[in-house]
Amino acid sequence: NAGVTQTPKFQVLKTGQSMTLQCAQDMNHEYMSWYRQDPGMGLRLIHYSVGAGITDQGEVPNGYNVSRSTTEDFPLRLLSAAPSQTSVYFCASSYSLDNEQFFGPGTRLTVL
Amino acid sequence: AQSVSQHNHHVILSEAASLELGCNYSYGGTVNLFWYVQYPGQHLQLLLKYFSGDPLVKGIKGFEAEFIKSKFSFNLRKPSVQWSDTAEYFCAVRGEFSGGYNKLIFGAGTRLAVHP
Repeated sequence: NAGVTQTPKFQVLKTGQSMTLQCAQDMNHEYMSWYRQDPGMGLRLIHYSVGAGITDQGEVPNGYNVSRSTTEDFPLRLLSAAPSQTSVYFCASSYSLDNEQFFGPGTRLTVL
Repeated sequence: AQSVSQHNHHVILSEAASLELGCNYSYGGTVNLFWYVQYPGQHLQLLLKYFSGDPLVKGIKGFEAEFIKSKFSFNLRKPSVQWSDTAEYFCAVRGEFSGGYNKLIFGAGTRLAVHP
């Protein structure tokens, strides 16, 4: 199993650009989520999904969209990048919330 | 709003010292509690978790945590730290915050540095 994979590992955007961060897992996990990690603020939940076709907002959803058309994939879309979205983004998955979350390696995003 | 608070942002200890990291949450419903660790340059890994039963739970690498429901706390402890415990530690709480489905919310993290 590859576990949780994320692409790209690094990305630099200009303000106003849009992009999609990819996340995939091959463990048949139902629960997937996106977090951003900022110094002194820990991990903050952006969006999450409890299964294909079902998503919900987390703590900091503004400026981000998600969809879950398959169990494996959970892309995160930045609609119009802003410097405040400079962060490290982690995707995580688990069979359910009762189980350990498996984290991807992260995407370091810089918005100029 | 529901939240998870970790009061110590940075902790510096010498090897063999005892460790206690605080975690408090503000949510009155049923919760499940977790501690994760992030070693430098690595992914987050699960240290331990509490769902029900004995409020004192033991995890990997000699860590343990105690759930005190009346204090809304889930503090992490280790009797004797090692240099290899240098990492960032995150408390996480699962609950039906703000309606919707169950969510897993993390605290801000505590950065631990252990000196030989």
